Amino acid sequence: NAGVTQTPKFQVLKTGQSMTLQCAQDMNHNSMYWYRQDPGMGLRLIYYSASEGTTDKGEVPNGYNVSRLNKREFSLRLESAAPSQTSVYFCASSDFIWQPQHFGDGTRLSIL
Amino acid sequence: KQEVTQIPAALSVPEGENLVLNCSFTDSAIYNLQWFRQDPGKGLTSLLLIQSSQREQTSGRLNASLDKSSGRSTLYIAASQPGDSATYLCAVGFKTIFGAGTRLFVKA
Repeated sequence: NAGVTQTPKFQVLKTGQSMTLQCAQDMNHNSMYWYRQDPGMGLRLIYYSASEGTTDKGEVPNGYNVSRLNKREFSLRLESAAPSQTSVYFCASSDFIWQPQHFGDGTRLSIL
Repeated sequence: KQEVTQIPAALSVPEGENLVLNCSFTDSAIYNLQWFRQDPGKGLTSLLLIQSSQREQTSGRLNASLDKSSGRSTLYIAASQPGDSATYLCAVGFKTIFGAGTRLFVKA
């Protein structure tokens, strides 16, 4: 039972490069989320998708785009990476937006 | 803007002790409140979720309460064990706003 799978687990980018973080869940959940976690700032919501075909901004959406590819997959894209986007990125899913969220193990992204 | 605060930031207790972790929020119009634990280098594990219409939820040795009028939630851990050592986070709403967490260390 894989749950929420994030790829890659680690990535180093140079400033200005683009990158897509992938997330897939096998629990048939309707809602999916992307967060970033930074020391001293805690976890912050970037974007979420309440159901297939919908996406909405969270607390810190600037510099990111998302795609809900299908019910299983929700990707996060950095078009032009900046050092301020160095962080640990977590994907999560839930049956519906009012249900408990299940998290992946994160992607550790460094931008030089 | 919703703000979520967790006190204390860190806590060290001997094994077997009962303990309470606190979470406060500034806007009482919340959708729900979740408690998570996070182990080092790992993602979050959902412990308990309280809907806005509920006052408490229980799971095993864990009990979470919610008082919307005062903007507070508590997570009670009974008979703490070394395996409970982790960071505990509370989060409010479906546009989830997290607190900074409480780092718990339970000494054997």
